Amino acid sequence: DAGVIQSPRHEVTEMGQEVTLRCKPISGHDYLFWYRQTMMRGLELLIYFNNNVPIDDSGMPEDRFSAKMPNASFSTLKIQPSEPRDSAVYFCAIAGGSDTQYFGPGTRLTVL
Amino acid sequence: AQSVAQPEDQVNVAEGNPLTVKCTYSVSGNPYLFWYVQYPNRGLQFLLKYITGDNLVKGSYGFEAEFNKSQTSFHLKKPSALVSDSALYFCAVSGNTPLVFGKGTRLSVIA
Repeated sequence: DAGVIQSPRHEVTEMGQEVTLRCKPISGHDYLFWYRQTMMRGLELLIYFNNNVPIDDSGMPEDRFSAKMPNASFSTLKIQPSEPRDSAVYFCAIAGGSDTQYFGPGTRLTVL
Repeated sequence: AQSVAQPEDQVNVAEGNPLTVKCTYSVSGNPYLFWYVQYPNRGLQFLLKYITGDNLVKGSYGFEAEFNKSQTSFHLKKPSALVSDSALYFCAVSGNTPLVFGKGTRLSVIA
């Protein structure tokens, strides 16, 4: 967990509200990944960036989801509007290529 | 396309006994293979990886994994299980694209 900071750690919101999840990698990396984990669907790759550029967003479930990486030290995942089925744990991970990924502690999102 | 299968959703083992968590993979070209562990309310933690070289890879916490090319397998093993090994274990494979993860196997070590 030490290489990636995620905030908030827990988020509870109501359906229809905008949610922004944040990721701050501490160490240098080339790649940044956003995952979603649920009991039903397991671990899903949502989107990943290479050198701050989105490479593959085919895992983003709907247009309500968007992700940005304005610089090498910060990325956001936004859900607008949020729905109860978006409730999950969202992970950010970093890597130096097709090699070892290092995960953050995750953000547990609950949409009521 | 690359893929990985973990055929067991749950593995139960008695403390002190050897444990095996199974993984098979499909990838074109030479695979990069990984095992991760997830403890409750934590992110995935890297355990070990195979890139090339010796088929037996040793990792953190006494775990090891054996790469078997003919069987396209990369099973995770430990000679003597601890209660603290109870967690969710993920196998992952990479070819020329980022990692593809299996669905995970929940390991329960019973005292």
